[in-house]
This record gives sequence, C-alpha cells and structure tokens, in this order.
Amino acid sequence: QSVLTQPPSVSGAPGQRVTISCTGSYSNIVAGYDVHWYQQYPGTAPKLLIYGNTNRPSGVPDRFSGSKSGTSASLAISGLQAEDEADYYCQSYDNSLSGSSVFGTGTKVTVL
Amino acid sequence: QLQLQESGPGLVKPSETLSLTCTISGGSISISSHFWGWIRQPPGKGLEWIGDIYYAGSTTYNPSLKSRVTISVDRPKNQFSLKLSSVTAADTAVYYCARLGPGRGGSFDIWGQGTMVTVSS
Repeated sequence: QSVLTQPPSVSGAPGQRVTISCTGSYSNIVAGYDVHWYQQYPGTAPKLLIYGNTNRPSGVPDRFSGSKSGTSASLAISGLQAEDEADYYCQSYDNSLSGSSVFGTGTKVTVL
Repeated sequence: QLQLQESGPGLVKPSETLSLTCTISGGSISISSHFWGWIRQPPGKGLEWIGDIYYAGSTTYNPSLKSRVTISVDRPKNQFSLKLSSVTAADTAVYYCARLGPGRGGSFDIWGQGTMVTVSS
C-alpha cells in the first residue's frame, strides 16, 4: 500500500536526460521529511543513490541528481548510459498512525 | 566496513512463523544515531518496509503487518531478528535487513544481500 507514487516506467536514448517523479502527501513529503532514492538491478539488493533529497553517497556518479518541491520529489539522470537500466525507488518517512518508512511504487528505467 | 547478512529458513509452511536473523559485522548495533530495519520484496513487485528497531529495543512496525510482526535485538551477538507469524503465500518474498538513519527519517544506507523465503506446504 505504497503512499509514494512513481511512474511505472520511463525510457530514453543513451545520452539523454530522464526524470522520475515521486508524489507524496501532507503526511510525508509535504510535511518536510527527506526523500531518498535507490537503484536496484535484478536479483540484487537496492543501493542508496540519493539521500536527504539532493545528496549523493560517495561513489555515485554526478549524473544522478535529486530535488524536492511541494508534494513531490524527482530523480534526474543526465547523460543516460546503458548501465542505468534498472529499477528506481523513492523512500521517505510518513507521520500518519505511529510513523513509518514508506517506499515508492518503483520505476523501471529502460535505455533504448 | 559495515556489513549485514540475513540468515534463516528458505521455506516456511503456511500458518507457521517465519524467523530471520540479521548479523552485523564491521560495526556495532549499539549506535545511537541509527535504527535497524527489515524490508521485503515479493517476486516481481516493489519494496515494502516491514519495521525497524533501535538498539535499546524500541520498535516501529508497518501497520498492515503489525499484528503478526515482532522485531527484536540481541546486542551481545550484534544481531537483530524478525518473526512473522501466520504466514501465507502472500508472504513469499526476498527479505532484506538494512541500516536506517540517521533518525527514522533517514535512508537505508547499508543493505544485506537479501534472503528468499517461500511459503509453501
């Protein structure tokens, strides 16, 4: 029962820029909680890609960038490469009920 | 370098209890800034947060699973564990343990490799 909504899929040619949206509500993103992004290849564990809305962990290429505004956050991939074909998930905190971590519905990025 | 490793049975019968353990190496579970969580992913589906625990023992659970979930910590063994009772086929998934923080609004920055659990008779 994801409360963060992402497009099921996005695609782009090598070298292009693609963006993935993550839409939330008053109890998570709008409330000011940070949004984090993960990259997952088939059969492997998710990897932290962006934390605290805009920050990249060491080793993550600067082609990946995050932003947040209003009810949504976005992940942008510039200079799309074949290796970027993967699933991407956003995550935040939700203060409804007793408070919980919540994940987005996930987006499959396809490199054409 | 901090590493997490899940362990436990890969096959559980319907109505029984799923039990998994996450062992932390290269660091201590007793870190004040972070929590320790469980996340699962059914085959072909997205990620679902199950719950998390602080080293001192306080827990938060996914409301949809709360009646069936127990997460506990064993500080001397540097481990934390998941128990999910009355399992059905819908609980078949890859189960991951991960570090969450700083604070409950933080990110899951370190993940275990995941363990597949199948619920079947």
